[in-house]
Amino acid sequence: QSVLTQPPSVSGTPGQRVTISCSGGISNIGSNSVNWYQQLPGTAPKLLIFNDDWRPSGVPDRFSGSRSGTSASLAITGLRSEDESDYYCAAWDDSLNGFYVFGSGTRVTVL
Amino acid sequence: QEQLQESGSGLVKPSETLSLTCTVSAPAIDSHYWGWVRQPPGQGLDWIGYIYHNVGTKYKPSLDRRVSISLDISKRQLSLRLSFVTAADTAVYYCARGETYYDVSSGNAHYIESWGQGIPVTVSS
Repeated sequence: QSVLTQPPSVSGTPGQRVTISCSGGISNIGSNSVNWYQQLPGTAPKLLIFNDDWRPSGVPDRFSGSRSGTSASLAITGLRSEDESDYYCAAWDDSLNGFYVFGSGTRVTVL
Repeated sequence: QEQLQESGSGLVKPSETLSLTCTVSAPAIDSHYWGWVRQPPGQGLDWIGYIYHNVGTKYKPSLDRRVSISLDISKRQLSLRLSFVTAADTAVYYCARGETYYDVSSGNAHYIESWGQGIPVTVSS
């Protein structure tokens, strides 16, 4: 059971805006920045958002992140078929001498 | 172009030690955080730990007594050893390059910028 909780699945139609929530606690999201990873089927994860809302080079601006209190969210605007993937939030947790923790993952389905 | 390539045994017997190597083709290997992440079949991502040259290591607390990560700068290789494995350690293992910093607004910021393709490891007799 992950320290960071995400909805198992989210779906939307092409062009729609969808959001994925990530709920944590004071020792992780409440204190440290959040990252988001995209994992297409059968491939390694890819960094999508880091430091809450920064996009690495090459990531479309359709993807955006935010953090407030002990929660974070990833928004995908103008949903496209190629966005169908698993998405994971992650953050550093300051408890127990510190460790990195991933969320439980959310499958995005484009209807 | 940076590449991370995992290698090692894909089948390990219960109670034995899992050993993997990641060969890194990237500049400044001694200036990044290098680590391992695994993904059990049909499940989510699970952080194992990281190492930073001449600074030290950090491990997932529940694995701390069984795991060891090392870095050979001259060979450009990252290694993972996980002892006393069980079926629960069956997973795809990814090596990864990360970055870490601290500032007032971000707190402890750690993220993984680059991933290997992953190597499946099965624990079975």
